[in-house]
Amino acid sequence: NAGVTQTPKFRVLKTGQSMTLLCAQDMNHEYMYWYRQDPGMGLRLIHYSVGEGTTAKGEVPDGYNVSRLKKQNFLLGLESAAPSQTSVYFCASIQTPGAPDQPQHFGDGTRLSIL
Amino acid sequence: AQTVTQSQPEMSVQEAETVTLSCTYDTSESDYYLFWYKQPPSRQMILVIRQEAYKQQNATENRFSVNFQKAAKSFSLKISDSQLGDAAMYFCAYRNQAGAGSYQLTFGKGTKLSVIP
Repeated sequence: NAGVTQTPKFRVLKTGQSMTLLCAQDMNHEYMYWYRQDPGMGLRLIHYSVGEGTTAKGEVPDGYNVSRLKKQNFLLGLESAAPSQTSVYFCASIQTPGAPDQPQHFGDGTRLSIL
Repeated sequence: AQTVTQSQPEMSVQEAETVTLSCTYDTSESDYYLFWYKQPPSRQMILVIRQEAYKQQNATENRFSVNFQKAAKSFSLKISDSQLGDAAMYFCAYRNQAGAGSYQLTFGKGTKLSVIP
């Protein structure tokens, strides 16, 4: 039972390069999220999706784009990476709203460094 | 917008002793969920305990319990019989209840707990 899987686990980029982080969940969850975690900060929401084909902005969306073409996958893209985007990125998912007491399930994180 | 405040950046506790981590939050909603997550050095986010605002009884999970004071908007975590494996960052988090949109979590900045042998 894989749960939420993030790919890759580590990555180093140069300023201006682009890349895509992949989040895959095998629990048939409707809602998916991308957070970033910076030193001394809690997790902050970048973007989220409430279902296949839908996305919405969170607290810190600038510089990122997302796509949810398949229900099980939620992609986070950096078109032109900046050093300020050096962070640990977490993906999470949650069961449908019919089970409101269910917690979010988190992936293990991706450590991204922008030089 | 909701905010979550953890006023203790670092705490330490002697092994086998009890420690309490503080969390306060601000919201205009009447129904919501509160969570404590543990993040060990492995970086995983592990759910420790959860509390629904409408339930008056404080949640308990083995050695972990909460003191939920709704009027004061306070949600502290008590760890009893502390173990070396409890050493981690602990995050308090808030989530709106059903019908309130995205179910996103709002996190505090965390408390780093050290356990002294």
